[in-house]
Amino acid sequence: ETGVTQTPRHLVMGMTNKKSLKCEQHLGHNAMYWYKQSAKKPLELMFVYSLEERVENNSVPSRFSPECPNSSHLFLHLHTLQPEDSALYLCASSHALAGGDEQFFGPGTRLTVL
Amino acid sequence: GEDVEQSLFLSVREGDSSVINCTYTDSSSTYLYWYKQEPGAGLQLLTYIFSNMDMKQDQRLTVLLNKKDKHLSLRIADTQTGDSAIYFCAERKDSWGKLQFGAGTQVVVTP
Repeated sequence: ETGVTQTPRHLVMGMTNKKSLKCEQHLGHNAMYWYKQSAKKPLELMFVYSLEERVENNSVPSRFSPECPNSSHLFLHLHTLQPEDSALYLCASSHALAGGDEQFFGPGTRLTVL
Repeated sequence: GEDVEQSLFLSVREGDSSVINCTYTDSSSTYLYWYKQEPGAGLQLLTYIFSNMDMKQDQRLTVLLNKKDKHLSLRIADTQTGDSAIYFCAERKDSWGKLQFGAGTQVVVTP
């Protein structure tokens, strides 16, 4: 595997379900990000981790719970979601937070909440 | 304004030049980026420009930056069908790398 991978690619869940999104980066990066992409709206930064410590939480509802067990893996745990949470969830990583480091994106998980 | 603004749609004929425009929010932003998203894929960095530059050229891509007007543009020369995608501009707002994205411009290339 190369770059940033995300699983699953598609997920359909009910409002009472609990599921997790997984992201893995194979680039030796130190920072990882979760973004939400909704149709016709700008990408919304949800969470940022640097060296496994959370450095940003953009007022995201508690039904989204991130976890970063090491610098290569990032999870987004989902529970009691709402239909308006349906979106494409993108993971990204970068070498470091400072400077002009490029963020490399995964292909995303298309989430549908019924 | 608070948002990075882009037009939502651009149609261009194959072989012509495409110009995608963006207005960003923060005159102190250090880096400005153009990302490309093809269907079913994540975002791919196309190019970026540092704020002390006016222009950057990379093969078919030309980025122009007008700091006074906070205006960024991406020109794609000799547009091909493979250039059909959504293009996002983004500004780097904080020292630790937070990016503010526009809503994206859908570029459709017609034969």
